[in-house]
This record gives sequence, structure tokens and C-alpha cells, in this order.
Amino acid sequence: QLVLTQSPSASASLGASVKLTCILSSGHTSYAIAWHQQQPETGPRYLMKVNSDGSHRKGDGIPDRFSGSSYGAERYLTISSLQSEDEADYYCQTWGDGIRVFGGGTKLTVL
Amino acid sequence: EVQLVESGGGLVQPGGSLRLSCAASGFSFSDYEMNWVRQAPGKGLEWVSYIIGGGGNTIYYADSVKGRFTVSRDNAKKSLYLQMNSLRAEDTAVYYCARFGDYPDYWGLGTLVTVSS
Repeated sequence: QLVLTQSPSASASLGASVKLTCILSSGHTSYAIAWHQQQPETGPRYLMKVNSDGSHRKGDGIPDRFSGSSYGAERYLTISSLQSEDEADYYCQTWGDGIRVFGGGTKLTVL
Repeated sequence: EVQLVESGGGLVQPGGSLRLSCAASGFSFSDYEMNWVRQAPGKGLEWVSYIIGGGGNTIYYADSVKGRFTVSRDNAKKSLYLQMNSLRAEDTAVYYCARFGDYPDYWGLGTLVTVSS
């Protein structure tokens, strides 16, 4: 079964860096994923696609502070130089034939 | 500029029906897979359904809506639709349409559906 696992919460200080993790289920560890950001009271916004080799493709206007990487079944979103507007929910998503799957989301708090 | 604008949400009684629309602009609508995704109050994102692009008519549904919801598209009108029947309280959510090329890259702002008596 295709499942994505995310930690429910994360926190980091203003100006620091944070690395969010999304874990693919067994048997699906080569899948690409997408990261989406959802700021309070807004719809989601596509951030980037992250491939199993760590390459990533960002959406229009996504700052260089956002980057993606991979290791095994894990896909990462790293945000550097944290700003207050980065406080949001972050969802990973993957896809297969006939199915689209979201992780449970990580709520990022900027201290 | 890619834009997706949902409409049609509102308050409906349990067992009732509602039809959502998603108007697309700024891209070649017919070429793209389109998705419906929902978010219950205070909860995460849940995939609902997708319909392929490129002139095909293949559609997939999440188990939670299979047999009750129907997705369709009108490429001439650049519109995506979600017909929701036999609505339940647990269908209460903001419903988003989203474009999917090689990956999911654009979202609408959503429309709220409330199922309540």
C-alpha cells in the first residue's frame, strides 16, 4: 500500500534552517514526491517535485531558500533562513497508476 | 498565468447533491490531468479523484467517494466538474481542483461544502 509518513510538527527559530521529512512506504521507495505549502487560511501551493536521486524541480517563484533532497525512502524539504511567513503546513504527495496520496502534513512553527 | 477557480459550494442536507465546477485558464486545459482534493475542517489534504487529459476519459476515485461522486470535464469550456450525490456529514470540506502534469503543480483556492441538517 502506497503511504507517506510525515511528522505532525516541527519548529525552528527565525533565520535558522529546518529539514522536513516525508517517508515512502516499503516497496515504493523509488517514487518521486511533491511538496506543497499551505499557509494559514489559504489554499495549498506547489513548492517542488523531488526525485529519488535527489534532483528537484521548483514551482514558479519559489525562493532559493527552499530545496529538496532524497535518501533511500526519505524525501526532504529544507528551508533555510527561516522567515515568519514560512510558518505553515507542509504536505508531501506521491502518485501511482490510479492513485494519488498525501502525507498527513507537518505543521511548521517559526519561533 | 495559470488560474483555477472553483465554484458551486454551499450548505446541503445529508443525502443531498451538489455540483462543483472548476474553471481553468492560462494553459492548454485538455492536455492535463485534473484532480479534486478536499480538506475537512482542521484536517489534512485528501485526494478525491482524477481524470486524465489528452482526450482520454479515464477516471479514478478514492474509496471514500466511489459510487457517490462523479468527475467530468468539458475541454471546450476549459472546465472540470464534480457531481456529489448521497452527501454525508463527513464530506464537509473545502474542495480544491488541482492541475497535474508530470507532477501536481497548480491549485485553485477552493470552495467550501458543508453537509448539515
